[in-house]
Amino acid sequence: DTGVSQDPRHKITKRGQNVTFRCDPISEHNRLYWYRQTLGQGPEFLTYFQNEAQLEKSRLLSDRFSAERPKGSFSTLEIQRTEQGDSAMYLCASSFLGRLGDEQFFGPGTRLTVL
Amino acid sequence: AQSVTQLDSQVPVFEEAPVELRCNYSSSVSVYLFWYVQYPNQGLQLLLKYLSGSTLVKGINGFEAEFNKSQTSFHLRKPSVHISDTAEYFCAVSDVANYGGSQGNLIFGKGTKLSVKP
Repeated sequence: DTGVSQDPRHKITKRGQNVTFRCDPISEHNRLYWYRQTLGQGPEFLTYFQNEAQLEKSRLLSDRFSAERPKGSFSTLEIQRTEQGDSAMYLCASSFLGRLGDEQFFGPGTRLTVL
Repeated sequence: AQSVTQLDSQVPVFEEAPVELRCNYSSSVSVYLFWYVQYPNQGLQLLLKYLSGSTLVKGINGFEAEFNKSQTSFHLRKPSVHISDTAEYFCAVSDVANYGGSQGNLIFGKGTKLSVKP
């Protein structure tokens, strides 16, 4: 169990560019979540997958955001035409469906800065 | 779960003093409750969780929390804090699904920054 990993840890981009983040969950976990955390706020839910199926999307996930989990393992989060308001920490978490409480384990996050 | 309120955005305390970080939630269904800690530039680490059973739950690093259903609260306590406890603490809830797991996403409070001074 190596924990949840995210890549890159930091990303600086110019407004209008596209960015993609990757999350590798704990190997046996079948649920994967994406959250966004802005300065001074708690994490806000964006979307989650159960295996490869995207089961829920927050209204925060505008049409510029897309997430995939093609083989039910790693996931990618893409932001198209980035805006300065997209600057935030993007957190990934994973859990094992079926365990009481579905405890979520978080990765270190990807910090996005849009100039 | 509908919302989580952490009543204090910042809590300064001296080393070896006791501390309580307050959390209230609102929900029309049964919930699971969690406290996470976040150190600077790091992800979230689970401190403790309430799933069922005893309302007093103990976690890592000497922290404990008590679930009070009537007051919809889940306050975090530590009898004696250390400098190393300086961090941001987040309370979170998730709705309980029929099969016993969570409904999916966690709803977080805005966090409480604990600052331990020597």
